Amino acid sequence: ETAVFQTPNYHVTQVGNEVSFNCKQTLGHDTMYWYKQDSKKLLKIMFSYNNKQLIVNETVPRRFSPQSSDKAHLNLRIKSVEPEDSAVYLCASSYPGTANSDYTFGSGTRLLVI
Amino acid sequence: GDSVTQTEGQVALSEEDFLTIHCNYSASGYPALFWYVQYPGEGPQFLFRASRDKEKGSSRGFEATYDKGTTSFHLRKASVQESDSAVYYCALGNTNTGKLTFGDGTVLTVKP
Repeated sequence: ETAVFQTPNYHVTQVGNEVSFNCKQTLGHDTMYWYKQDSKKLLKIMFSYNNKQLIVNETVPRRFSPQSSDKAHLNLRIKSVEPEDSAVYLCASSYPGTANSDYTFGSGTRLLVI
Repeated sequence: GDSVTQTEGQVALSEEDFLTIHCNYSASGYPALFWYVQYPGEGPQFLFRASRDKEKGSSRGFEATYDKGTTSFHLRKASVQESDSAVYYCALGNTNTGKLTFGDGTVLTVKP
C-alpha cells in the first residue's frame, strides 16, 4: 500500500515533556511537510523537507524540530511541550517544484498536553 | 504573498440541497487551484485541481471552475448527501515553488 503513515495516532503528555512523532511515505515523493491543525481546523505549515534539506521553516517556536533520515521519513520532535501545542499534527508529501503537485496527507497525530 | 479566502466558515444543509462554498485567491501568474476534503479522524484528501482559466475540475459530484477574471474557484454540488459532511479546503499552488497555501476551511454539515 502506498500512502503516508503517521505514528502514534494519539498522544497525551504533561507540560514540559519531550515528544516525538513519526512519519513515513511510500509514494516515492521527494518533499515532505509537517502541518499543525488547531481546534478551528486551520492548517498551518511548520516545516518542509526536500530530499533531507530543509527548504521552508515557518516561524515556529524553537522547541519544535524536524528530523529526517532519508526522503521517505520526516519526524517531528517537541522538546518541552506547552499547553498551546495541543493540536493535530499532519504529515504530507508531494513531488516538488510544480504548481500542479497535490499533497498526500497522513491521518494525523493528535496531541493533548495536560 | 499568496492567499486564499473561503467566505463561509460553516455551512449547514439538508440532504439534496445545492451546495456552494466560495473561494477567492490572490497570487501572481497562473497558480494551480485545488479543493481538499477532510473527514473526521482523517487527513485532508485531494478532491480535484484546475490549472488554467476556465478549466473545470470535478470529482464525486463536486465541481469548480477556475475564473481568473474574478480570481475565484467556488465549490459546487447539485445535491449533497449526509456522507458529504466534512471540512473543505480551497488551496493554491505557487507557480515557482509548488508550495500549497490553504484557505481556513469550511465545515459542511448535512442533515438527513
